[in-house]
Amino acid sequence: QQQVKQSPQSLIVQKGGISIINCAYENTAFDYFPWYQQFPGKGPALLIAIRPDVSEKKEGRFTISFNKSAKQFSLHIMDSQPGDSATYFCAARVASGGSYIPTFGRGTSLIVHP
Amino acid sequence: GAGVSQSPSNKVTEKGKDVELRCDPISGHTALYWYRQSLGQGLEFLIYFQGNSAPDKSGLPSDRFSAERTGGSVSTLTIQRTQQEDSAVYLCASRPTGTASGANVLTFGAGSRLTVL
Repeated sequence: QQQVKQSPQSLIVQKGGISIINCAYENTAFDYFPWYQQFPGKGPALLIAIRPDVSEKKEGRFTISFNKSAKQFSLHIMDSQPGDSATYFCAARVASGGSYIPTFGRGTSLIVHP
Repeated sequence: GAGVSQSPSNKVTEKGKDVELRCDPISGHTALYWYRQSLGQGLEFLIYFQGNSAPDKSGLPSDRFSAERTGGSVSTLTIQRTQQEDSAVYLCASRPTGTASGANVLTFGAGSRLTVL
């Protein structure tokens, strides 16, 4: 059972455009929603994260929008740049029984054309 | 070191052989994770170590997979009798716990790419 569904699988955007990646979750116990960015040959690295008590978080050109009632959250990359070309993973975490294991989406491969 | 170190970076083996993959977490990080990354499958959780607690092995796909963490630091993931479907990138991540800064953040290594012929 895939607990975090991510779409699209791939995305091509022109430089300066807006990139939007969507995720949906099922477990209402999730309490932390990070996005990770992965460049080829590297491990994923935290990009931005949000908690369910906030509807939006912005850091520079990156914004997370969170809809608790719909159990959805999305990453928006404004003014997309070729350097943003990478794979993006959404994730969700529940801390229960001392466990703390993020569940990741399947990833979105973003290509930004110059 | 400053980051999570994994070795080997690449491993090619023959079907049926055993392999060991090593992870050196960030010093002081008490939580350690192993994930598997296959093409189009995202990051698949394998196992989680937290301090002296019993590891959470719920993600291990079969009894051919095992992992240990010695002295609360270095971890080794062992795959016995490798199969072609084991080919993937194996990622290790560590995390500080408690009230330490960044306690929510997993820091990943670059991974070990395993190819089973």
